[in-house]
Amino acid sequence: DGGITQSPKYLFRKEGQNVTLSCEQNLNHDAMYWYRQDPGQGLRLIYYSHIVNDFQKGDIAEGYSVSREKKESFPLTVTSAQKNPTAFYLCASRDKGQPQHFGDGTRLSIL
Amino acid sequence: GQNIDQPTEMTATEGAIVQINCTYQTSGFNGLFWYQQHAGEAPTFLSYNVLDGLEEKGRFSSFLSRSKGYSYLLLKELQMKDSASYLCAVVNQAGTALIFGKGTTLSVSS
Repeated sequence: DGGITQSPKYLFRKEGQNVTLSCEQNLNHDAMYWYRQDPGQGLRLIYYSHIVNDFQKGDIAEGYSVSREKKESFPLTVTSAQKNPTAFYLCASRDKGQPQHFGDGTRLSIL
Repeated sequence: GQNIDQPTEMTATEGAIVQINCTYQTSGFNGLFWYQQHAGEAPTFLSYNVLDGLEEKGRFSSFLSRSKGYSYLLLKELQMKDSASYLCAVVNQAGTALIFGKGTTLSVSS
């Protein structure tokens, strides 16, 4: 089946550690996005990529990094510079002229 | 800049009709989306409006007035499974990404 896969569903991190969240899609979509969602808040854009080997900062990129070496994959690294990383992270992709479709999300918690 | 406002919470009963409003201020307009999100799950696409008027899709309809910076999502014949957050989002000025409101949590009771 085609879709967007985020893994793991739950992730725990010790303070000071970097952690990478996976996002893979087999929909052949060019555009991919990472959002962060906090309780009672809407989705806030972290990074996006419209083509392989190119990506742009969103509204809250500080403390995060991404790569887009393959069309299917857009991993997000939460670095130790991100002071408040506990959140629900959502990855999305879309085809041109179509709405964004979301993965099931990764919930990151700090130990 | 861009700003999107929606009510934080709404309640309704099964079988009723509910209207969730969304107002936005943007430098340009490239379209407005509505998404449904059940707790702990991914948002799912409901509707897209880029021209003024009403778009109907089954029990759900979405309306847009670009001159007023206003949209609403209308849910008819409410069911318990409609209890969820409803997110209004507009395309950013560059047309490259979505800007989301904080969402409206709808609770449907029997």
